[in-house]
Amino acid sequence: EVQLVESGGGLVQPGGSLRLSCTASGFTVSRDYMNWVRQAPGKGLEWVSVMYGGGATHYADSVKGRFTISRDDSKNTVYLQMNSLRPDDTAVYYCGGPTTPRGFYYGMDVWGQGTTVTVSS
Amino acid sequence: EVVMTQSPATLSVSPGERATLSCRASQSVATNLAWYQQKPGQAPRLLIYDASTRASGIPGRVSGSGSGTDFTLTISSLQSEDFAVYYCQHYNTWPFLFGQGTKLEIK
Repeated sequence: EVQLVESGGGLVQPGGSLRLSCTASGFTVSRDYMNWVRQAPGKGLEWVSVMYGGGATHYADSVKGRFTISRDDSKNTVYLQMNSLRPDDTAVYYCGGPTTPRGFYYGMDVWGQGTTVTVSS
Repeated sequence: EVVMTQSPATLSVSPGERATLSCRASQSVATNLAWYQQKPGQAPRLLIYDASTRASGIPGRVSGSGSGTDFTLTISSLQSEDFAVYYCQHYNTWPFLFGQGTKLEIK
């Protein structure tokens, strides 16, 4: 079964750091690409970051310089290191990726259940 | 960056009827566009990619069209499970922005 499981969310003070994990089963995270997407309470979806199979990474302007996406192929896991956290980073964070190797970006047809990050003093 | 604008914000349609949702890009994204459905408390679900290709397991009553800057998601013969929030997202250039969403509600 193809599945993604996120972990690492929690309550953190402004200016603090947190590392989210996204572990895959049934497919390889290094094959094509993996994304992080977040959703603030009562708001819409916001794309955060992508990492491609070859290692290239890209970020939303709102997190550039503060967040870093990475992966550990031996653990089939993608990470999101979040530093200098602000209250407006409060959201459910999802990882998402492709289940079928098509050789091109086509969106996210497998998603995790989400992990909640709350930034508050 | 390419900004995505969805309309309307809320669409009220009766079961069995057709729903037409719109998504407009601030500049051309070719056909590099996906549609997602999200229900309360759930992760999004991919419906359409490349503007008009149905994702695996998506029923034929769901269709996408458009290219360049104007895109449409059409759901014919609405079923109870179709009432949800729908998002478009482009993947032409980074950042891969989402639209603000359209809530499809029962009339």
